[in-house]
Amino acid sequence: AQSVTQLDSQVPVFEEAPVELRCNYSSSVSVYLFWYVQYPNQGLQLLLKYLSGSTLVKGINGFEAEFNKSQTSFHLRKPSVHISDTAEYFCAVSPGTASKLTFGTGTRLQVTL
Amino acid sequence: DAGVIQSPRHEVTEMGQEVTLRCKLISGHNSLFWYRQTMMRGLELLIYFNNNVPIDDSGMPEDRFSAKMPNASFSTLKIQPSEPRDSAVYFCATLGPGGRDTQYFGPGTRLTVL
Repeated sequence: AQSVTQLDSQVPVFEEAPVELRCNYSSSVSVYLFWYVQYPNQGLQLLLKYLSGSTLVKGINGFEAEFNKSQTSFHLRKPSVHISDTAEYFCAVSPGTASKLTFGTGTRLQVTL
Repeated sequence: DAGVIQSPRHEVTEMGQEVTLRCKLISGHNSLFWYRQTMMRGLELLIYFNNNVPIDDSGMPEDRFSAKMPNASFSTLKIQPSEPRDSAVYFCATLGPGGRDTQYFGPGTRLTVL
């Protein structure tokens, strides 16, 4: 069994400030890790994914995430956010195949001027 | 990205009516997932098809829900009879065309049952 914890339900941040959205997972097997973004009234869009290899993963829109196996974390970061980054962000884990995704509860990123 | 089309985008119906949600895959593998998203329960996997065969339907809430995948690019999710607690956004997803390691989502159908 696997699970994902997104500790922060909401993260308010000012434009051009850095942001980190936290994600911790638990799994008894090797995992794939994903971050998806959901803009209002839209579907989920893949931001980035970790399958294997380098633990630092770069995604779209300037986001990156780092896989830390010892801390079972996959935190999402962006050095300078924009108003357009306001959205819901979901962390997800799968056991080596994308056919069994488990999602976190989501983090609402609210960027203001 | 794999192309996923869902229809209708919005559906408003009255309790007791039958509702049919549709999903068409433009590209990608012939794996298909139906999810439900609510404020209370977040994203829940309802059912997963592979090669038109339901592999995991443990998330289907009850007998009022049924899903079919008659061919490799089309699926329906039916609720009969519908209830107000079925109000949610329903997403369809498929595995990416570049491999089976990533799910790609459609835009969703927002269902409101009055």
